[in-house]
Amino acid sequence: EAGVAQSPRYKIIEKRQSVAFWCNPISGHATLYWYQQILGQGPKLLIQFQNNGVVDDSQLPKDRFSAERLKGVDSTLKIQPAKLEDSAVYLCASSLVPGQRYGYTFGSGTRLTVV
Amino acid sequence: AQSVTQPDIHITVSEGASLELRCNYSYGATPYLFWYVQSPGQGLQLLLKYFSGDTLVQGIKGFEAEFKRSQSSFNLRKPSVHWSDAAEYFCAVVSSGGGADGLTFGKGTHLIIQP
Repeated sequence: EAGVAQSPRYKIIEKRQSVAFWCNPISGHATLYWYQQILGQGPKLLIQFQNNGVVDDSQLPKDRFSAERLKGVDSTLKIQPAKLEDSAVYLCASSLVPGQRYGYTFGSGTRLTVV
Repeated sequence: AQSVTQPDIHITVSEGASLELRCNYSYGATPYLFWYVQSPGQGLQLLLKYFSGDTLVQGIKGFEAEFKRSQSSFNLRKPSVHWSDAAEYFCAVVSSGGGADGLTFGKGTHLIIQP
């Protein structure tokens, strides 16, 4: 079974620029999550999709972050404009429903550095 | 709101010695609990999970964890560590019901193995 695919692996941008990350979940996984992991901390949930609908985006900084999952498969997370404090690893995860019972599979992440 | 505390930021253990990593959670109802491991530059790998039944849970790589409701704890143990166990370990909790089932992570414990 193929895992959760993310790209790019690394990205360096200047502050105030925009950036986008892509995630392809495991085939058949209806639920997709984006997490932000700042160095030295545990991952923090940004947004959860079930199919192409948003289930939870309470911790997403909506003034600069946006995410979509238009066809219920791939997802894109965008930051515009980026700030220095957005430097982090952005992890995508997917699961069957309910995630609590079946578990969550994580991708390798995209490491973003904002300079 | 649910939360997870991992009291030890770093732990150093000699190779072949036993290991216990502590995790305390705060959640009103019955939680679903997870332990993940993260090696440098890698995504999160699930070690084990608890959602009901036997409070002693067996996982991969020889790890086990015990759920103690009275202490709100879910400590991870291994009888004999190997140098390859050096990594970052995260405890996580998720609600037991509802559609929003993203994980809440602790800050992690960095495990160092001495030869």
